[in-house]
Amino acid sequence: AQSVTQLDSHVSVSEGTPVLLRCNYSSSYSPSLFWYVQHPNKGLQLLLKYTSAATLVKGINGFEAEFKKSETSFHLTKPSAHMSDAAEYFCVVSEGRCDSWGKLQFGAGTQVVVTP
Amino acid sequence: GAGVSQSPSNKVTEKGKDVELRCDPISGHTALYWYRQSLGQGLEFLIYFQGNSAPDKSGLPSDRFSAERTGGSVSTLTIQRTQQEDSAVYLCASSLQVTDTQYFGPGTRLTVL
Repeated sequence: AQSVTQLDSHVSVSEGTPVLLRCNYSSSYSPSLFWYVQHPNKGLQLLLKYTSAATLVKGINGFEAEFKKSETSFHLTKPSAHMSDAAEYFCVVSEGRCDSWGKLQFGAGTQVVVTP
Repeated sequence: GAGVSQSPSNKVTEKGKDVELRCDPISGHTALYWYRQSLGQGLEFLIYFQGNSAPDKSGLPSDRFSAERTGGSVSTLTIQRTQQEDSAVYLCASSLQVTDTQYFGPGTRLTVL
């Protein structure tokens, strides 16, 4: 069975400082991992995804994430936060077996606040 | 190109009434998904359709929930005899194939009074 845990429900950062959002996953099969962002009253937007290629994945808007199998982690980082990064971020796993394809398992979300 | 669209954007209904929520996927996407986002449960998978295969209904919370996809394109999620706990944002997504990236619509906010 697959599951995903986001270790922080809220993260507050100052504009221009680094952002770190932590995610641990559990999967019995080779998973695909994703980070989605949801701005207020907007739909979910894909930031980046890992699908068993390079372990360091670069996404949109300067975000990147590193897949660490030994630690079962997929943390999201950005070197310098911008005010527009204020949103809710979801770590998502899709287990790599045919009866789980398409069934995304979402973490509880991390609300990011960016202060001037 | 056009993304996933959903209608209505907001729906208020009375307990016990039936509601229909509509999703228009991205053109050419063969897979379509429904999720529910609620305060208590977070984001949950409900059902997905892949081409002409039988849908995977394993996430539907009760038999009051059903969905269909006509002509391999538009989908309708129907909730019968709505309850207050059905209040949530219902999200639709589509992808080229079931193994591909899912693109989400803006959602329908359902409020059951």
